[in-house]
Amino acid sequence: EVQLVESGGGLVKPGGSLRLSCAASGFTFSSYSMNWVRQAPGKGLEWVSSISSSSSYIYYADSVKGRFTISRDNAKNSLYLQMNSLRAEDTAVYYCARVYDYGARGWVDIWGQGTMVTVSS
Amino acid sequence: AIRMTQSPSSFSASTGDRVTITCRASQGISSYLAWYQQKPGKAPKLLIYAASTLQSGVPSRFSGSGSGTDFTLTISCLQSEDFATYYCQQYYSYPLFTFGPGTKVDIK
Repeated sequence: EVQLVESGGGLVKPGGSLRLSCAASGFTFSSYSMNWVRQAPGKGLEWVSSISSSSSYIYYADSVKGRFTISRDNAKNSLYLQMNSLRAEDTAVYYCARVYDYGARGWVDIWGQGTMVTVSS
Repeated sequence: AIRMTQSPSSFSASTGDRVTITCRASQGISSYLAWYQQKPGKAPKLLIYAASTLQSGVPSRFSGSGSGTDFTLTISCLQSEDFATYYCQQYYSYPLFTFGPGTKVDIK
């Protein structure tokens, strides 16, 4: 079964740091681009960051650029999101998401269950 | 950046109804559009990609159409399990994805 399982969420003070992890199983992780997508409480979906299969290409939303770092370890079938200088507006459920690449583009086809990050003093 | 809008933002419907949700892009995105369904407390689920291609396992009562800037998601005969929030997403500017604000479908 294809599965993505996030972990690492929790309560952190403004200005603090947190590292999210996503464990992948049931597919060849090293063949897929991966994303982080977040959803603030009661709000819509917001793309956060993307990393290509070999980590050659990395992209960030303007809202997190310079504060968040995406990475992956294909040997461990894992995706990570290092979040620094956290703000209240970063409070959200963070989803790990697999991208189905098709030609020059792709779409998200598999989502994890999400991990909650709360930034509050 | 490409902006996505959806209409309506929410509406009430009855089981058996035919419902249509509209998604509009701020610029042409060809057919690079996906639709997702999200139920409360759950992760989104892919329904449609390439504007009109049904993801494997998704019931045939779901269909998508459109290209360029205007798209629709149609549920031909609403079932109880279809009450949820629906999001469109453009991947024309891949990997910089943009989601629509969502359309909530609830029970009349």
